[in-house]
Amino acid sequence: SAVISQKPSRDICQRGTSLTIQCQVDSQVTMMFWYRQQPGQSLTLIATANQGSEATYESGFVIDKFPISRPNLTFSTLTVSNMSPEDSSIYLCSVTGARNTEAFFGQGTRLTVV
Amino acid sequence: AQSVTQPDIHITVSEGASLELRCNYSYGATPYLFWYVQSPGQGLQLLLKYFSGDTLVQGIKGFEAEFKRSQSSFNLRKPSVHWSDAAEYFCASYTGRRALTFGSGTRLQVQP
Repeated sequence: SAVISQKPSRDICQRGTSLTIQCQVDSQVTMMFWYRQQPGQSLTLIATANQGSEATYESGFVIDKFPISRPNLTFSTLTVSNMSPEDSSIYLCSVTGARNTEAFFGQGTRLTVV
Repeated sequence: AQSVTQPDIHITVSEGASLELRCNYSYGATPYLFWYVQSPGQGLQLLLKYFSGDTLVQGIKGFEAEFKRSQSSFNLRKPSVHWSDAAEYFCASYTGRRALTFGSGTRLQVQP
């Protein structure tokens, strides 16, 4: 299994500012993913964080709004830029297990934009 | 495109009663299917998964799920629900890039 540490666990931010969320995994993993869970909603994939190259974004998500870094096989960051109240969500980091048989999730970052 | 559907947004059952949460998938090949549970303020916990083989899968906390290809379904069941089972339940499947596609979720409420 993989243990994922995500920081911060929660934050309240002013609109127009940016927040960077960190995701640390206790083992090297090939694929890391970032999801968003809007209030009362399901999880939606934002992007796949690729080590050594740009992230792959899903439809509706763009790099200028959600820049992602992946400097090595155990760490990634997601930045939520120029925040508005609509960005208030839980953001979750996820990795796929070594045998690609399971996805592991961090505890999430609960973001409130005021 | 691959999709997962959970028809029931909210289900209420009495403690000790049986439970079945519905999940339907849309995918050409044999899907990889999962059930996750999310308790209030908590992260996602994997209950069980199906890749191949026996279509009846046992999971943690007394849950099981049955894969039915003919019905494109992967319903979650529990014979006797406990108050601590109250949570949000998500059905999910792998996309080709090993990211998960989630259903919309079913909120389970347990009455005493």
